[in-house]
Amino acid sequence: ETGVTQSPTHLIKTRGQQVTLRCSSQSGHNTVSWYQQALGQGPQFIFQYYREEENGRGNFPPRFSGLQFPNYSSELNVNALELDDSALYLCASSLLSDEQYFGPGTRLTVT
Amino acid sequence: AQSVTQLDSHVSVSEGTPVLLRCNYSSSYSPSLFWYVQHPNKGLQLLLKYTSAATLVKGINGFEAEFKKSETSFHLTKPSAHMSDAAEYFCVVSFLTTDSWGKLQFGAGTQVVVTP
Repeated sequence: ETGVTQSPTHLIKTRGQQVTLRCSSQSGHNTVSWYQQALGQGPQFIFQYYREEENGRGNFPPRFSGLQFPNYSSELNVNALELDDSALYLCASSLLSDEQYFGPGTRLTVT
Repeated sequence: AQSVTQLDSHVSVSEGTPVLLRCNYSSSYSPSLFWYVQHPNKGLQLLLKYTSAATLVKGINGFEAEFKKSETSFHLTKPSAHMSDAAEYFCVVSFLTTDSWGKLQFGAGTQVVVTP
């Protein structure tokens, strides 16, 4: 059984740029959730995708957007990057439940 | 409003002694409750989950948690700490309402330090 994977592991962007982060779900899981974890804080829910549709969103602006593909993999896109977007971005997958399994995360640094 | 509070930001224990991490929640609904662990520069690992089947939940690596509805608490314990238990621990609540299905709400975390 393959766990949740994320790419890239690290990246550095400049303020104002756009970024795409990728996530592959655990085998058999149809739901993907994205979280932002700022340094020294707990993760914050960004949004969730179920069967390619957004299924709930946290308190994040529209410049945070996502996609889920037929194979249940997912992308998180962030436009017009701000310094405060620097964080660890975590993807989690699940199957018809709230028991979520997390990937290792992508560390984004905005300069 | 729904919330989860971890009562200690840092806990320091000696190897071989018990560990207690405290968590309280508030909710108008019956939540699912979890504990996750995060080792440095790693993702989150599920330790255990409360599903209402039993108030005492056993997890991995010798951890267990007790759900007390009257106290709205879900404290995590381990009888004997190991050096490898040094990590950040998160108490997490999932509220299964129409607008929050599957959304996990994390506490601020408790940093556990284990000394030899």
